Amino acid sequence: DIQMTQSPSSLSASVGDSVTITCRASQDISNYLAWFQQKPGKAPKSLIYAASSLQGGVPSSFSGSGSGTDFTLTISNLQPEDFATYYCQQYNLYPYTFGQGTKVEIK
Amino acid sequence: EVQLVQSGAEVKKAGESLKISCKGSGFRFSNHWIAWVRQKPGKGLEWMGVIYPGDSDTRYSPSFQGQVVFSADKSISTAYLQLNSLRPSDTAMYYCARQGSSWSIDQWGQGTQVTVSS
Repeated sequence: DIQMTQSPSSLSASVGDSVTITCRASQDISNYLAWFQQKPGKAPKSLIYAASSLQGGVPSSFSGSGSGTDFTLTISNLQPEDFATYYCQQYNLYPYTFGQGTKVEIK
Repeated sequence: EVQLVQSGAEVKKAGESLKISCKGSGFRFSNHWIAWVRQKPGKGLEWMGVIYPGDSDTRYSPSFQGQVVFSADKSISTAYLQLNSLRPSDTAMYYCARQGSSWSIDQWGQGTQVTVSS
């Protein structure tokens, strides 16, 4: 199985800050990388696919980059509604696998 | 509007079986892979596998192979997750999700809470 490792596991930031979350794959997954946001008690929400393409309706404050094994999710100008847990997922090879999650908390 | 609506919360005893449903609307259900994802309390997301309702082709994660069964009835745009011989460790939220044309998940169901008591 492809292992997906996110860092950091958690971070604290203030409204208006920019934050970057890293996701590393244990082998080359090209750009078959998605990012999801999950708020407590809610279903995940799809944010980004193909490493850098925004899902419909996702604000441009979210951006993704990377290919191969190293990927990043950047959230610019953090808003109160952005405080959540973020997951990456590779969908290059079965079984598709998720990272362990990164919790973005309010400082 | 694309929607996935899952069946309601379940409370079961160890050893019982359970079938969760996931009904799609607003899209051609037969033409999209449907994924199942588990989330244990306070933990991360686990990919269980996928089913293609058009021909019921399935791919299971080795971690769940033999423990769960996916099925689908394309005539009613519904996918199912069957859990057999339930254990307290199966207590979790289970999500279905649609894989879009980009192959990534683009829509999630609201989740079905399963609680298993001993």
